[in-house]
Amino acid sequence: DAKTTQPNSMESNEEEPVHLPCNHSTISGTDYIHWYRQLPSQGPEYVIHGLTSNVNNRMASLAIAEDRKSSTLILHRATLRDAAVYYCILRSRAQKLVFGQGTRLTINP
Amino acid sequence: EPEVTQTPSHQVTQMGQEVILRCVPISNHLYFYWYRQILGQKVEFLVSFYNNEISEKSEIFDDQFSVERPDGSNFTLKIRSTKLEDSAMYFCASSVWFRGSTEAFFGQGTRLTVV
Repeated sequence: DAKTTQPNSMESNEEEPVHLPCNHSTISGTDYIHWYRQLPSQGPEYVIHGLTSNVNNRMASLAIAEDRKSSTLILHRATLRDAAVYYCILRSRAQKLVFGQGTRLTINP
Repeated sequence: EPEVTQTPSHQVTQMGQEVILRCVPISNHLYFYWYRQILGQKVEFLVSFYNNEISEKSEIFDDQFSVERPDGSNFTLKIRSTKLEDSAMYFCASSVWFRGSTEAFFGQGTRLTVV
């Protein structure tokens, strides 16, 4: 399974943008970059995914580097409800998602 | 919005007892998964299931574990003889398809406590 590297923790302020980085230098051509998050005491929740181009949805934006070796999840205006562990995961033909330790995001009011 | 439903939300069982954790995946999904998360640790893959058979399993998923899709809606995880170390949150997930472009939807989990 291709590996990703994320900071253990990050902190931001409410209503400010948050940029969560992820490095995946061994990504293969068929790997999609997925982001999930896990709010306290809940199951993982899908956030966004992409292959090569930047992606936007109602929850977040995903910026993918041109060489695809890194990506950034962008929360445009963080709220207290966005405090969670965020996981960057590479998914190709393998059926399973492999979770790492993720980034624990703290939002200050 | 469709969701994955898990029951019960919390189960307490005695060591050595059998437990069955139940999941109702999203109705048009074809791939089903079980994951577990021991308190304070990362989410770990247990097993994936497609077309009424196991498609992949981890080292954790030994002979004490089994999965079944007994009817068109339920997906169950059975632990035959529970151990203290089986205490964890168990998450069920489902996907429409297995390809990398497909997202997985997770249930809220069952907290299993073995005493």
